[in-house]
Amino acid sequence: EIVLTQSPGTLSLSPGESATLSCRASQSVSSSYLAWYQQKPGQAPRLLIYGASSRATDIPDRFSGGGSGTDFTLTISRLEPEDFAVYYCQQYGSSSWTFGQGTKVEIK
Amino acid sequence: QVQLVESGGGVVQPGGSLRLSCAASGFTFSTYGMHWVRQAPGKGLEWVAFIRYDGSNEYYADSVKGRVTISRDNSKNTLYLQMNSLRGEDTAMYYCARNWKYGDSWGQGTLVTVSS
Repeated sequence: EIVLTQSPGTLSLSPGESATLSCRASQSVSSSYLAWYQQKPGQAPRLLIYGASSRATDIPDRFSGGGSGTDFTLTISRLEPEDFAVYYCQQYGSSSWTFGQGTKVEIK
Repeated sequence: QVQLVESGGGVVQPGGSLRLSCAASGFTFSTYGMHWVRQAPGKGLEWVAFIRYDGSNEYYADSVKGRVTISRDNSKNTLYLQMNSLRGEDTAMYYCARNWKYGDSWGQGTLVTVSS
């Protein structure tokens, strides 16, 4: 089973700053099968990025994904107040999903 | 628009059973694989189960295997999760999510609390 490790656990930033979130896999992951989600308190997860770098519908272009193999990143440029949330990476394999433990982006 | 609405959650005693439902609308349900994902209070996301678009195959997390059954009724556009022998660690918000590789649409969740 592939384990996804996200870092850092918490990122304290100010609006307008940029955020770089990391997701490291214990084994190589096909880029096609790597996704990122945003979750706000009391809400369901929302798909941001799929296929490692493709933005989902209606996702602003300040969100970008990259990486390959075992190292993937989610970058949020120019943080807006509504971007402060928890972010999860997820991989698909053997008809199951695995999630990272999440990175909380909080207001500094 | 795509909509997924979960129901069936509630408070149940340890060892009890519940059946969760996920009503789908706004898309051709019978052409999509579907997942159940849960989230314990204050914790991260945990995948629970997946069923192929036609119901031909089911897959389960080790933590629920043998106690949970995922199923679907494509004529009713509804996904199910039958949960038996419930334990305290099954307490969580349960979400249904559409699509096999990644969840492009999610329901709002239904809360399951296992407590005596």
